[in-house]
Amino acid sequence: SAVISQKPSRDICQRGTSLTIQCQVDSQVTMMFWYRQQPGQSLTLIATANQGSEATYESGFVIDKFPISRPNLTFSTLTVSNMSPEDSSIYLCSVGQSTNTEAFFGQGTRLTVV
Amino acid sequence: GESVGLHLPTLSVQEGDNSIINCAYSNSASDYFIWYKQESGKGPQFIIDIRSNMDKRQGQRVTVLLNKTVKHLSLQIAATQPGDSAVYFCAENISGYSTLTFGKGTMLLVSP
Repeated sequence: SAVISQKPSRDICQRGTSLTIQCQVDSQVTMMFWYRQQPGQSLTLIATANQGSEATYESGFVIDKFPISRPNLTFSTLTVSNMSPEDSSIYLCSVGQSTNTEAFFGQGTRLTVV
Repeated sequence: GESVGLHLPTLSVQEGDNSIINCAYSNSASDYFIWYKQESGKGPQFIIDIRSNMDKRQGQRVTVLLNKTVKHLSLQIAATQPGDSAVYFCAENISGYSTLTFGKGTMLLVSP
């Protein structure tokens, strides 16, 4: 399985500011994903990070609010823009090699917006 | 849209008991399923998976059962230990699609 490192592990941010979360994988992976997990809830997919092209966003998530980069096969960033308290959540990076195979997760970034 | 859901939000067991966590899915096109364990403050950890051409798969102390007729998935944990205390999620996937859909989660509490 891949080793996935997310930074920061947690942060407390002021409303109106932006935070960029980094996801680094120890090996090249085909697919990278970003999830949000609100307190006590399940995981909701934000977008699929595509290497060399724009991310594919799920319904309810837009690029202006959650810009994503993926410059290569081992690294991706998710930015949470113009934050509000409603953005307080855990953000998780996930990687996989193909469809119908297991996906692995980073430890998550716990974001609190005050 | 179709979704994956769980019957029980919290399951409390005694150490040494066998635990069964259930999951219902509604998308008949789903053909790959995964169980994840998430401990407090950590990301989900892969436990076991099963493909739709199987109805049972066993791992170390865990067994996943798939009943396609009633669209039901279960995770059985044998001789449950306090370290098994966590939230368990089922997830489904459809061939050709890279994304997973997660169920709501069940919290397993194991008392010594």
